[in-house]
Amino acid sequence: GESVGLHLPTLSVQEGDNSIINCAYSNSASDYFIWYKQESGKGPQFIIDIRSNMDKRQGQRVTVLLNKTVKHLSLQIAATQPGDSAVYFCAENIKGTYKYIFGTGTRLKVLA
Amino acid sequence: EAGVAQSPRYKIIEKRQSVAFWCNPISGHATLYWYQQILGQGPKLLIQFQNNGVVDDSQLPKDRFSAERLKGVDSTLKIQPAKLEDSAVYLCASSLGQVKETQYFGPGTRLLVL
Repeated sequence: GESVGLHLPTLSVQEGDNSIINCAYSNSASDYFIWYKQESGKGPQFIIDIRSNMDKRQGQRVTVLLNKTVKHLSLQIAATQPGDSAVYFCAENIKGTYKYIFGTGTRLKVLA
Repeated sequence: EAGVAQSPRYKIIEKRQSVAFWCNPISGHATLYWYQQILGQGPKLLIQFQNNGVVDDSQLPKDRFSAERLKGVDSTLKIQPAKLEDSAVYLCASSLGQVKETQYFGPGTRLLVL
């Protein structure tokens, strides 16, 4: 993905609303995708994953959607809470390798 | 289950000095990754080990960076000599070692080069 330096895309949502964070991935050979949450001063934390043979996967309050036609991934967070405030990264795994490529990240700000 | 451990958490050095980071992966994890994360960017893979062998070091600046995982468990990443642009968070991650296995990250080492 392209670097945005210090200017991460930011999504601001009201507490209780749903959040949708988008990610465009780069490699059509990627067949496994992960969403990570990174809080300040911490390493990325696994949220949810999806394999390329699926279009949708649901977890607790989170849903990941995969559109392979346009190489697009989204993370939906239901009833967003203040603790969801963080930077969210998508990562793609290139088929047949252990290599992961991370996107640039989106900062989610939850407004009280 | 203990997570990925890294030390030190913070390091400040002057340019041209050397620095080393240590990582202890989750027990039983065969694959270990070192990433560099510059402020405001996603992690960038530097090197990947499978047990004690290197799988991918294509993005490691080998003129100044080196890494080893001698016994297939702990790993060290060294920078010698450091440059200003090496200021970043260095993240270690591990996974069981199969393709499509989730990576688990440590807290990272924040390096500032002055």
